[in-house]
Amino acid sequence: DIVMTQSPDSLAVSLGERATINCKSSQSVLYSSNNKNYIAWYQQKPGQPPKLLIYWASTRESGVPDRISGSGSGTDFTLTISSLQAEDVAVYYCQEYYTTSYTFGQGTKLEIK
Amino acid sequence: QVQLQESGPGLVKPSETLSLTCTVSSASIDSYYWSWIRQPPGKGLEWIGYVNYLGTPHYNPSLNSRVSISLGTSRNQFSLRLSSVTAADTAMYYCAFMNNLGVVTFWGQGALVIVSS
Repeated sequence: DIVMTQSPDSLAVSLGERATINCKSSQSVLYSSNNKNYIAWYQQKPGQPPKLLIYWASTRESGVPDRISGSGSGTDFTLTISSLQAEDVAVYYCQEYYTTSYTFGQGTKLEIK
Repeated sequence: QVQLQESGPGLVKPSETLSLTCTVSSASIDSYYWSWIRQPPGKGLEWIGYVNYLGTPHYNPSLNSRVSISLGTSRNQFSLRLSSVTAADTAMYYCAFMNNLGVVTFWGQGALVIVSS
């Protein structure tokens, strides 16, 4: 089974500053036949279900602000919020959909410093 | 916009079977994949499994022996059954729409199920 490991577990960033969350998979999630990375990112605010932000590692879901971006390939991925806003306070999860185990990372809690 | 709503008992006794139903609106379950995902209090997300539009299920191997997901007799419902529950099964249970890529694009609000005598 793929293990998804996020770092850090928690992060405090000042408003307007950059936030970076990392996700590492225990095996490559790059599918060679289509050159796509099978990684999604979700945002979960307190008391709410998760919300899809990014798929194919870097494709923004409709309606997601462009200050939120995803990058990476193979086994190492990053979610970046370029200028932190108050509404970005949440827990962020990566998920692989390369296998049919659909494993999530353990989550990264993002707070305002 | 697919809308999903979980329903079912909020309290289940140890060793009994947890049963939840998800009602889908603004979409037909005649396509794609219909999933259950859970989240223990204060912890992360665990994918439980899905049933596809043909009624074929697929489960997380760690739960495979205890879980059953099926389409409902109503064309807009699907259900989860988890047998022999313990306190470790206490969680928020989300039903969700998974597209043909395997990405969860819509979630229900969740149903908290507590396992306790």
